[in-house]
Amino acid sequence: QVQLVQSGAEVKKPGSSVKVSCKASGGTFSSYTISWVRQAPGQGLEWMGRIIPILGIANYAQKFQGRVTITADKSTSTAYMELSSLRSEDTAVYYCARVQDGDLDYWGQGTLVTVSS
Amino acid sequence: EIVLTQSPATLSLSPGERATLSCRASQSVSSYLAWYQQKPGQAPRLLIYDASNRATGIPARFSGSGSGTDFTLTISSLEPEDFAVYYCQQRSNWPPTFGPGTKVDIK
Repeated sequence: QVQLVQSGAEVKKPGSSVKVSCKASGGTFSSYTISWVRQAPGQGLEWMGRIIPILGIANYAQKFQGRVTITADKSTSTAYMELSSLRSEDTAVYYCARVQDGDLDYWGQGTLVTVSS
Repeated sequence: EIVLTQSPATLSLSPGERATLSCRASQSVSSYLAWYQQKPGQAPRLLIYDASNRATGIPARFSGSGSGTDFTLTISSLEPEDFAVYYCQQRSNWPPTFGPGTKVDIK
C-alpha cells in the first residue's frame, strides 16, 4: 500500500519561497511518477508538474514555468516542490500524488501554504 | 491546453436517488478521462479511470461512460457518504487538466 506523507503547514511572506516535501512508503519510489496539484481556498484542482525519480526528469505546467522546481531524492523516497516569488494568489493546499498511467491513484494529505505580509 | 467543463455546478439530490454528472472536453481526449471525489478537508480520491474503469475499492454504484469529448459519471443510488465534489481530469494532452467540479449536496 502506497502512502504519501507531506510536510506541515507554512506561512510565507510575499516574494519568498516555500519548499514542500512528500515522503513515500510502499511500492518502489524510483518507479513512480509524482505529481503536484494545488487547490486555492474554495477552488478547484490545478496541476503544477511532475517528476519521474528514476530519470530525474521534471515537467511543469506552463503557468508555473520558471517559478516551480520539483525534485526527488531516491535515497529517502522523498519528492519536493519548491515555489518561488510567492504572492497572495499562491495561498493554497498543495498535494503530491502518485501517477499511475496518467491518473492520480494515491495522494498525500495536503500542505497548506499561506502567503501573507 | 484542453479545457474541461462540468455540469451542473451543483446537484441537489436525496439519498437513494440517481446522480448524473457531465464532463465535456474542448477537444477529443479519447478515453483518457478520470473522475475524482473530494470531501471537505480531504484529498481527492480516484473513482474512475480511462472513462469507464472503476479504481480499486470503488463501489459498483459508481460508473463512468463516454469517449471523445462527452463523458458521464453516474451514481446509481446515492449513499450518505457520496455527497461531495466530483472532478473530471484528462490526461490526453500535457498538461493534464481538471474540470471545475460538480458539488453533489443533500436536498
